[in-house]
Amino acid sequence: DAKTTQPTSMDCAEGRAANLPCNHSTISGNEYVYWYRQIHSQGPQYIIHGLKNNETNEMASLIITEDRKSSTLILPHATLRDTAVYYCIVSLGNTPLVFGKGTRLSVIA
Amino acid sequence: ETGVTQSPTHLIKTRGQQVTLRCSSQSGHNTVSWYQQALGQGPQFIFQYYREEENGRGNFPPRFSGLQFPNYSSELNVNALELDDSALYLCASSFRSSGANVLTFGAGSRLTVL
Repeated sequence: DAKTTQPTSMDCAEGRAANLPCNHSTISGNEYVYWYRQIHSQGPQYIIHGLKNNETNEMASLIITEDRKSSTLILPHATLRDTAVYYCIVSLGNTPLVFGKGTRLSVIA
Repeated sequence: ETGVTQSPTHLIKTRGQQVTLRCSSQSGHNTVSWYQQALGQGPQFIFQYYREEENGRGNFPPRFSGLQFPNYSSELNVNALELDDSALYLCASSFRSSGANVLTFGAGSRLTVL
């Protein structure tokens, strides 16, 4: 079973920041937080991952709370192409990633 | 660098038949994972291959089997197909290291069992 809890769905206005929360209260010290997204009928796409520190790349930012029990994925300026299912996954390195049902993000014009 | 490619993209089989799905890994990757995704669900882990050996398996029966070849490409075989095997089958490659397990997924093979 997935070790994370995410809202089923969220809406975001185009051009605004999309903040996707994830609860992982049972995370262990060596487990990474990964975010993937899946646009309809495509394979999942890697977005970002982190261990303890906040991370940023060209796609998004990942904010991990100090106690590591939750995190937020931030898409700074959401576009219609960001409409997708977003998966938050917690896992040790080299162990299989276990996907939950994710959050369906709808970006609205 | 080439990504992960899967074939065929779509196929239809009947109950009881056998199917083979193929996957070419991303250049530089040495590990392949297979996932099954039913409609409306997240991907479910089937198994992973590293150095041509199965290296982890999810809750799938033995009629799901696989191979990894020296060039790191892979096959997923499913025998005695059942209606519930209808799904999107996803292949993902990665480079096994001591750090994070970042997967690159292919577009998937959509299997319909009639």
